Amino acid sequence: DAGVTQSPTHLIKTRGQQVTLRCSPKSGHDTVSWYQQALGQGPQFIFQYYEEEERQRGNFPDRFSGHQFPNYSSELNVNALLLGDSALYLCASSLWGGVSYEQYFGPGTRLTVT
Amino acid sequence: AQSVTQPDIHITVSEGASLELRCNYSYGATPYLFWYVQSPGQGLQLLLKYFSGDTLVQGIKGFEAEFKRSQSSFNLRKPSVHWSDAAEYFCAVGAGRRALTFGSGTRLQVQP
Repeated sequence: DAGVTQSPTHLIKTRGQQVTLRCSPKSGHDTVSWYQQALGQGPQFIFQYYEEEERQRGNFPDRFSGHQFPNYSSELNVNALLLGDSALYLCASSLWGGVSYEQYFGPGTRLTVT
Repeated sequence: AQSVTQPDIHITVSEGASLELRCNYSYGATPYLFWYVQSPGQGLQLLLKYFSGDTLVQGIKGFEAEFKRSQSSFNLRKPSVHWSDAAEYFCAVGAGRRALTFGSGTRLQVQP
């Protein structure tokens, strides 16, 4: 049973550039949430996708956008990168109609902005 | 707004000693509460969760947590810590499909 997978593992970008991170949910899950974890802090919610629509959004600027595909995988796009966007980006999957709404996390993508 | 406070940034215990990590939450309704563990450079692994019912919940790796509504707390405990338990521990609160709100974490160091 495949868990949540994310790619790439690490990424180095320059200020002002754009980046795309990818996530495949756990088998059987249909909902994907993205979190940003800055160094030494807890994860912060960015947004959640279900049925290819953004369902919830945290306090992040419009530079952060996402997409969900028919196979439930998801992308996180960040435009006009800032140094402060350097963080571990975590994807979590869950089942929208599930009883427990447990979120299963992937290993993350480490983004460094120079 | 919901929030989670983990008062201890860093805790050091000796191997074999007992452990308690504190978590206090603020939430307007009945919360779903979670404890996650994160090893260096890794994602988050769910240790245990509370939704309803018995306020003492058992998790993986010998961990347990007790939900105390009157104190708005959900402390994590383990009777005997192993060196492999050294990691960062996060308490989180949510409800239903709502996004999780995490605390800032407690780093556990285990001395031999």
